[in-house]
Amino acid sequence: EPEVTQTPSHQVTQMGQEVILRCVPISNHLYFYWYRQILGQKVEFLVSFYNNEISEKSEIFDDQFSVERPDGSNFTLKIRSTKLEDSAMYFCASSESTGGQPQHFGDGTRLSIL
Amino acid sequence: EDQVTQSPEALRLQEGESSSLNCSYTVSGLRGLFWYRQDPGKGPEFLFTLYSAGEEKEKERLKATLTKKESFLHITAPKPEDSATYLCAVQARDGYNKLIFGAGTRLAVHP
Repeated sequence: EPEVTQTPSHQVTQMGQEVILRCVPISNHLYFYWYRQILGQKVEFLVSFYNNEISEKSEIFDDQFSVERPDGSNFTLKIRSTKLEDSAMYFCASSESTGGQPQHFGDGTRLSIL
Repeated sequence: EDQVTQSPEALRLQEGESSSLNCSYTVSGLRGLFWYRQDPGKGPEFLFTLYSAGEEKEKERLKATLTKKESFLHITAPKPEDSATYLCAVQARDGYNKLIFGAGTRLAVHP
């Protein structure tokens, strides 16, 4: 069964450094998303992306964050200058279309900021 | 504000002991309600989508139902392998595609 893959599984970074989290969505999916889950808290929406544009973003997704689809298969989340509070699990998801279609999630990248 | 509340936070069952998990939601207009299963250290795994009140979906020992204000995930004769956190999420009509998640119910099924 097709799946969303994320790399790395765990990233440890010093505060203030830039990180790039990578995702390969399911191949025929057109909509891509990033969510995060701080330990012990709810899964929170960050951003959705379609047709090479951000279609929606949350208040969390400030100027420190950016997303890109650099080629036909990868989808990345960049955090420019990491803060301690960015420590979380970051999940990538994709869906075939919109309008109530399910989003399929990867197993996440655990980001630890020191 | 769109919101999802799940109860109970945690549930311990004996193998074979059926029960239900609750998801109450407030949303400006429901496009879809989703149930996911999450194992420790893994991403949410899609289970069901429900679109309108009265709808039911079934998969093995799980059955999801939907009313205008809440959804239930019924677990019939659970097995230890059903132990996981079950997440409920809603998608609003005016919210593009973002999912709003509840905090989940941690289910432990003991032999």
